[in-house]
Amino acid sequence: GAGVSQSPSNKVTEKGKDVELRCDPISGHTALYWYRQSLGQGLEFLIYFQGNSAPDKSGLPSDRFSAERTGGSVSTLTIQRTQQEDSAVYLCASSPRLAGGQETQYFGPGTRLLVL
Amino acid sequence: SQQGEEDPQALSIQEGENATMNCSYKTSINNLQWYRQNSGRGLVHLILIRSNEREKHSGRLRVTLDTSKKSSSLLITASRAADTASYFCATGTHAGGTSYGKLTFGQGTILTVHP
Repeated sequence: GAGVSQSPSNKVTEKGKDVELRCDPISGHTALYWYRQSLGQGLEFLIYFQGNSAPDKSGLPSDRFSAERTGGSVSTLTIQRTQQEDSAVYLCASSPRLAGGQETQYFGPGTRLLVL
Repeated sequence: SQQGEEDPQALSIQEGENATMNCSYKTSINNLQWYRQNSGRGLVHLILIRSNEREKHSGRLRVTLDTSKKSSSLLITASRAADTASYFCATGTHAGGTSYGKLTFGQGTILTVHP
């Protein structure tokens, strides 16, 4: 079946603009995760969803970052007023259910964001 | 902050040799997973070992877990050039609290296998 898809693959934007990153999880997966990977910071957890709710938003770097999930499926990560330090690869993953990380997480190919 | 620390940071070997990567972590876990990443894009799950397991095999992969030392190792036997990638360990947390569900990744080991 289809894997996790993310769009766009690459995004170049100017400092100060807003961007939206989209994630389509594997059909039927109730848990969805966002991570960020940047040079010098490794892979950072941002937020996860169980269904449409996000119990843990502690990983979001600032209030410029927000995410939502609708219909228990597609999720959007929005970055407002982008800064150069937001440049990174944003990775989305999904798993059949939330189980304390005991589930394999299936990752999408990522969105490479470059803020000029 | 990163839960896991991996060593070595980079490993260069010849095809046919074995590659061993180590991962240490700080807090108690309920499982540890290893992932592979090619060219800085999506991660591929390799193997999951639960906290009550000590060793697990999958094809040419062997993972060990020592919860008393809070460490794990990934061994790739008879390496191939196609194994060239970055390898990450990731830990899952115990039940309870809002952080339940997320994975915390190590910094990764860059493996290069020369033909």
